Amino acid sequence: QKEVEQNSGPLSVPEGAIASLNCTYSDRGSQSFFWYRQYSGKSPELIMSIYSNGDKEDGRFTAQLNKASQYVSLLIRDSQPSDSATYLCAPREAGFQKLVFGTGTRLLVSP
Amino acid sequence: SAVISQKPSRDICQRGTSLTIQCQVDSQVTMMFWYRQQPGQSLTLIATANQGSEATYESGFVIDKFPISRPNLTFSTLTVSNMSPEDSSIYLCSVEGTGGSDYGYTFGSGTRLTVV
Repeated sequence: QKEVEQNSGPLSVPEGAIASLNCTYSDRGSQSFFWYRQYSGKSPELIMSIYSNGDKEDGRFTAQLNKASQYVSLLIRDSQPSDSATYLCAPREAGFQKLVFGTGTRLLVSP
Repeated sequence: SAVISQKPSRDICQRGTSLTIQCQVDSQVTMMFWYRQQPGQSLTLIATANQGSEATYESGFVIDKFPISRPNLTFSTLTVSNMSPEDSSIYLCSVEGTGGSDYGYTFGSGTRLTVV
């Protein structure tokens, strides 16, 4: 059984701070990694994807990947109250098209 | 990215009955995925539906309980059969992004099912 682990939180940060969300995965063959944001009562929406070791930046979001350590993270700069949501890490399972979701980290950004 | 229309958005059903959930995609996609999200939990994949072949079910999910149809490349249904209160969940369909699975997956708006 492939596993994806995230700290469930809540992770509380003040407005304007950097939020750091972490994820470890067990499938060493995973090559594609996705971060989803899910607001309460809504479906997940894709915010970042990363495939290569290192950093990938998109606006206020930076995804970081270290395949050797089986670790992927998401940094949110200048956090806003509207960023308050659950963030789901989802590697694509090696050899398959399906995603394996972590339990999610709940982020709370206080004004 | 693909746009998915999922319905119903919510339903309250009596135990022992069945509910069929529909997902319509605005473009042709090879695979459609059906997930369950129980209250306060993450997403669990139920099955993968390919057009023209039987769905592939994940461990713990069986066709008799969750029959799936995939009649064409833009449409799929999931039926939750002989429901019990434990089936109360949000059910979501998902498809690959434009260009394939490396571009992420889009989700429908979900079906919130309550079984009483």
